[in-house]
Amino acid sequence: AQSVTQPDIHITVSEGASLELRCNYSYGATPYLFWYVQSPGQGLQLLLKYFSGDTLVQGIKGFEAEFKRSQSSFNLRKPSVHWSDAAEYFCAVGPNQAGTALIFGKGTTLSVSS
Amino acid sequence: GAVVSQHPSRVICKSGTSVKIECRSLDFQATTMFWYRQFPKQSLMLMATSNEGSKATYEQGVEKDKFLINHASLTLSTLTVTSAHPEDSSFYICSARGGTGETQYFGPGTRLLVL
Repeated sequence: AQSVTQPDIHITVSEGASLELRCNYSYGATPYLFWYVQSPGQGLQLLLKYFSGDTLVQGIKGFEAEFKRSQSSFNLRKPSVHWSDAAEYFCAVGPNQAGTALIFGKGTTLSVSS
Repeated sequence: GAVVSQHPSRVICKSGTSVKIECRSLDFQATTMFWYRQFPKQSLMLMATSNEGSKATYEQGVEKDKFLINHASLTLSTLTVTSAHPEDSSFYICSARGGTGETQYFGPGTRLLVL
């Protein structure tokens, strides 16, 4: 079955510290992978995506993610977290077919302490 | 990037009434739109997929007669919650995907509260 697992429900990081949010997926074919961020009461903003090519992808707001096929992972990283990064982060996987919906993980809540 | 809008952003209605939520792609043609529902502190659950000019495809467990979806043009899809009840209170988010593009762009969401 197709699924996305985000093992960490809630993470607290000190401002200025590094961050890694984990994402593992189960998918029968080569997936398209996404990370979205959601602030309270808001919609989802695309941080970055991986379709093919270089397995280390750069996104907005200083985020990056690395696709590791052998581990079925697509972890999100940021070298130095800012207080404004506190939000809900969702990993999603999708097929390479137009018109097909994404499968989302349950999300990880990031809190940033001063 | 592409912009998707939703209207209204927040709506309060009485039990038994119907509510219409609009989802618009502002700067691209959305051949496919998706409607999601999100409960507090939970992930997005896909409700239905709509392709322009055809009937929506509903996920298992979603009542198509209760959640009416219309995708009459390449820039507009509507979700109508008919005879709303308090348990329909939720955050509804649409997303849009253009042509053969792989990326979905999300609207800002609509908070529905049914009293």
